Amino acid sequence: DAGVIQSPRHEVTEMGQEVTLRCKPISGHNSLFWYRQTMMRGLELLIYFNNNVPIDDSGMPEDRFSAKMPNASFSTLKIQPSEPRDSAVYFCAILAGGNTGELFFGEGSRLTVL
Amino acid sequence: LAKTTQPISMDSYEGQEVNITCSHNNIATNDYITWYQQFPSQGPRFIIQGYKTKVTNEVASLFIPADRKSSTLSLPRVSLSDTAVYYCLVGLSGGGADGLTFGKGTHLIIQP
Repeated sequence: DAGVIQSPRHEVTEMGQEVTLRCKPISGHNSLFWYRQTMMRGLELLIYFNNNVPIDDSGMPEDRFSAKMPNASFSTLKIQPSEPRDSAVYFCAILAGGNTGELFFGEGSRLTVL
Repeated sequence: LAKTTQPISMDSYEGQEVNITCSHNNIATNDYITWYQQFPSQGPRFIIQGYKTKVTNEVASLFIPADRKSSTLSLPRVSLSDTAVYYCLVGLSGGGADGLTFGKGTHLIIQP
């Protein structure tokens, strides 16, 4: 049964601080995606991994953002240093399996940078 | 990269059938059409996917004309709980970033 656990669900931090967002697929998945959602820009694909290797990181805004997937059951998205414009909801998603290419999303991490 | 165009918003009433159309003039031969639904404070949820003609599941129907340059998501007898944002995506099934790019979606508001 596909499932994605994200943490923290909410984080408020001050500009300049490091932020680490975590994603744990309940069962190991080879493909994992990080999205960012804001009112202005909608839902943006930041990066996706296949077999734990980053395939496309062209959506990562700048060098302050980095993502890792050390194994099939864990991934992190780090922002260092954070800025107010990074405030958004960050979603992690996996391919749910089968032939449809269906993405299964976590509940998101709402980040507020003051 | 196939681009999609959807209405920004739509209104309807409970019990009505709602049809949301998406334009994708540059769809490629191998591209599939996928629709997602998103409620506030939740991630998008897969609704339906199709390649051509008509697909129906327990939630919705998807109509795709022969030229595949557009598609229509049909929600039968909507209720208040169908108020959400609906996204149309076009790309390769099962992988590739093209199929994973969301636009702004259609904000559907259902009124009593």
